Amino acid sequence: EVVMTQSPATLSVSPGERVTLSCRASKSLKNNLAWYQQKPGQAPRLLIYGASNRATGIPARFSGSYSGTHFTLTISSLQSEDFAVYYCQEYNEWPLTFGGGTKVEVK
Amino acid sequence: QLQLQVSGPGLVKPSETLSLTCTVSGGSISATSYSWGWIRQPPGKGLEWIGTIYYDGTTYYSPSLRSRVTIFVDTSKNQFSLTLSSVTAADTAVYYCARHLGYCSGGGCFGDYAMDVWAQGTTVTVSS
Repeated sequence: EVVMTQSPATLSVSPGERVTLSCRASKSLKNNLAWYQQKPGQAPRLLIYGASNRATGIPARFSGSYSGTHFTLTISSLQSEDFAVYYCQEYNEWPLTFGGGTKVEVK
Repeated sequence: QLQLQVSGPGLVKPSETLSLTCTVSGGSISATSYSWGWIRQPPGKGLEWIGTIYYDGTTYYSPSLRSRVTIFVDTSKNQFSLTLSSVTAADTAVYYCARHLGYCSGGGCFGDYAMDVWAQGTTVTVSS
């Protein structure tokens, strides 16, 4: 099973700031990684798949990249609606696994 | 526009079987390029993948739940279902169903197993 480690657990930021979230895999995933956003009381929303492909309707301020087993989600200029919990998920092998999440909160 | 909806009891007694159904509307569960998954989230915790099914019945399960989980599909009703036996309080969670952007068939896997459409989710509490 692939272990996904997200850091930090909580990130305190101000609107307009650039935000970088980290997700590390315990083994190579190639580019088989997705990022989700989840707000309280809502289902997760797919942001990025294939490590760097934005899902339908996702604003351009969200971008994904990776190097080896380190994956990054960047929000270029944080908007008020972006305060949420973000999860990474690997799908390179079964079982599918999620990271523990990073909460982006208001500073 | 594809929509998924979870239905089933919100309260299950310990040692009994949890049963949920996900109804797909606005699209066909038999669409060849997609598969269908179950995910859960205990209160205040992260996401846990339970299992995934393709319309031909091919299934993949979480190893930690494999002995208690069954996922099956009913293409005539455009639904897929989850049963989880011998439940305990640790199975209390919000249960989601979702569509995967990929599928496995004929010994190969294709596309991405990211999940692009999610149901709103239903809370299941295990308590006597």
